[in-house]
Amino acid sequence: SYVLTQPPSVSVAPGKTARITCGGNNIGSKSVHWYQQKPGQAPALVIYYDSDRPSGIPERFSGSNSGNTATLTISRVEAGDEADYYCQVWDSSSDHRVFGGGTKLTVL
Amino acid sequence: EVQLVESGGGLVQPGGSLRLSCAASGFTFSSYWMHWVRQAPGKGLVWVSRINSDGSSTSYADSVKGRFTISRDNAKNTLYLQMSSLRAEDTAVYYCARVMDGDYGGFDYWGQGTLVTVSS
Repeated sequence: SYVLTQPPSVSVAPGKTARITCGGNNIGSKSVHWYQQKPGQAPALVIYYDSDRPSGIPERFSGSNSGNTATLTISRVEAGDEADYYCQVWDSSSDHRVFGGGTKLTVL
Repeated sequence: EVQLVESGGGLVQPGGSLRLSCAASGFTFSSYWMHWVRQAPGKGLVWVSRINSDGSSTSYADSVKGRFTISRDNAKNTLYLQMSSLRAEDTAVYYCARVMDGDYGGFDYWGQGTLVTVSS
């Protein structure tokens, strides 16, 4: 089965740029979606189809996907961005959706 | 306003059964593929199952295949997850989610989740 690998944690100072990676075999050939989950809340979509933002998501959130790594980039990080972030793809070989293990973003 | 509201969670003994419901409103439910995702306490998101818009096609994670059944009633705007032969490792918050674009897009709307606890 397809595996997505995320770093367990990323720390960044306010105003700086956070990059959260999602590794998978030839992930660049798949569409990657990213979710933000704050404590006690349901997940929320922040990036879809690698780099598109749903309405209401700040332009500070962006995504890229190439080769074996997809990346969620959060510019000018704010305290309110502190959350768990998950990447997700559709594995066509199994017809299953797959989530990465999640990355806890800490704003210092 | 799009809303997804799960219900049916609770405490169940190992080997028992439970049926979760997800009531949808604010959109044309019959046009969208739907999924169930679960999250064990303190753990990450895990995909469980999906169903296409008319209910004719389903898919399951290996961990629940043969024990869980996803279904929908488009007349009632409701998604279901019938869970049987429940195990302690099925303990989790279960979320229903809508797919934004056929079955290729992200999950653009999620319910608030319903907690299932499997314990004796």
